[in-house]
Amino acid sequence: SQQGEEDPQALSIQEGENATMNCSYKTSINNLQWYRQNSGRGLVHLILIRSNEREKHSGRLRVTLDTSKKSSSLLITASRAADTASYFCATDGGGYNKLIFGAGTRLAVHP
Amino acid sequence: DVKVTQSSRYLVKRTGEKVFLECVQDMDHENMFWYRQDPGLGLRLIYFSYDVKMKEKGDIPEGYSVSREKKERFSLILESASTNQTSMYLCASSIHNSGTGELFFGEGSRLTVL
Repeated sequence: SQQGEEDPQALSIQEGENATMNCSYKTSINNLQWYRQNSGRGLVHLILIRSNEREKHSGRLRVTLDTSKKSSSLLITASRAADTASYFCATDGGGYNKLIFGAGTRLAVHP
Repeated sequence: DVKVTQSSRYLVKRTGEKVFLECVQDMDHENMFWYRQDPGLGLRLIYFSYDVKMKEKGDIPEGYSVSREKKERFSLILESASTNQTSMYLCASSIHNSGTGELFFGEGSRLTVL
């Protein structure tokens, strides 16, 4: 069963533009995480936001969390061609030991 | 640097063959996971393990088994490979009850079953 659902499925932008990806989930959570996957590679952890946090920043990344709507967004500012990848949200479903992933958003940043 | 190593990046097998996918982590993590990734479906959990010789089924365990004889190694076994098991397989590990559940992934094993 999928906990997180990302939107849009694919996003194509120009370098320098901002990219926003959204994630919705179904059950209560302790935290929500975002991962990045370059084509054909494994996933890499980007940022985690806890259920009692509303916004978190890391470099060019900004994550928001709205637990009342069971949704999160990932904003990448001033995008670069190197940001081209798939981005996944993952939730813990109320536990700490098993993450459930959505289908991901494919981001293409054109020079 | 933390490392999760999957023994094979690319494999081609024939229908009915027994397939072993090996994963080793060097972080002394208690939890290890096998996910399957297919286009449009994201990552689906096959099996996970919280401890040596311990395993629990994930969302799609049918057609798979696992083995964890040592803490650092978690193997995924396809007893009789079928074409619908052609996929990308991702191994991951995490600290048990870490408070975050952050996963560390290997590079993936792309399996093609002919």
